[in-house]
Amino acid sequence: EAGVAQSPRYKIIEKRQSVAFWCNPISGHATLYWYQQILGQGPKLLIQFQNNGVVDDSQLPKDRFSAERLKGVDSTLKIQPAKLEDSAVYLCASSYTTSFGTGHYYEQYFGPGTRLTVT
Amino acid sequence: TQLLEQSPQFLSIQEGENLTVYCNSSSVFSSLQWYRQEPGEGPVLLVTVVTGGEVKKLKRLTFQFGDARKDSSLHITAAQPGDTGLYLCAGKHGSNTGKLIFGQGTTLQVKP
Repeated sequence: EAGVAQSPRYKIIEKRQSVAFWCNPISGHATLYWYQQILGQGPKLLIQFQNNGVVDDSQLPKDRFSAERLKGVDSTLKIQPAKLEDSAVYLCASSYTTSFGTGHYYEQYFGPGTRLTVT
Repeated sequence: TQLLEQSPQFLSIQEGENLTVYCNSSSVFSSLQWYRQEPGEGPVLLVTVVTGGEVKKLKRLTFQFGDARKDSSLHITAAQPGDTGLYLCAGKHGSNTGKLIFGQGTTLQVKP
């Protein structure tokens, strides 16, 4: 079974430039997550999709970050304009449908991440 | 804000030694997970603990969930160089969205 695919793996941009990351989840996984992992810290959830709808984007800096998941499969995360503090690894994860209200969870599978450096 | 504090943040030991990593919070979690992350890769799930006081073993790794479901520990017996990596604990609060709160991680280096 193919894992979560992400591209690019590395990106270096200057501050105020724009950047986009792409994620292809595991086939059949309805839930997709984008995390930001700053060096020395654990991943922080930016946004969670259930199919093509947003479940949680409470920690997404909406003035500069945007994400979409058209057709409920692939997803893109965009930063415009980038700041120095956006330098981090951006991880995409996917899981089977989360059963809301039951407390049941499904394992999240992570992609390799995109390492972004903003200079 | 629910926080998960991991300790120690860094650990460098010799092959064959034992070690314990701790994950503590003031919040109650409905479940807690442990992940290992290697450089250039995403985290990989090792175990999930759900019940207070639960102990799970995965070969040389022993995971325990605190009775009050606020803390957890990971114990590695006879560490090997292949155990080197970043160990992350992640808690799932009572929300039903599957959202995980991650600790800051413990970097483990096992020297041959």
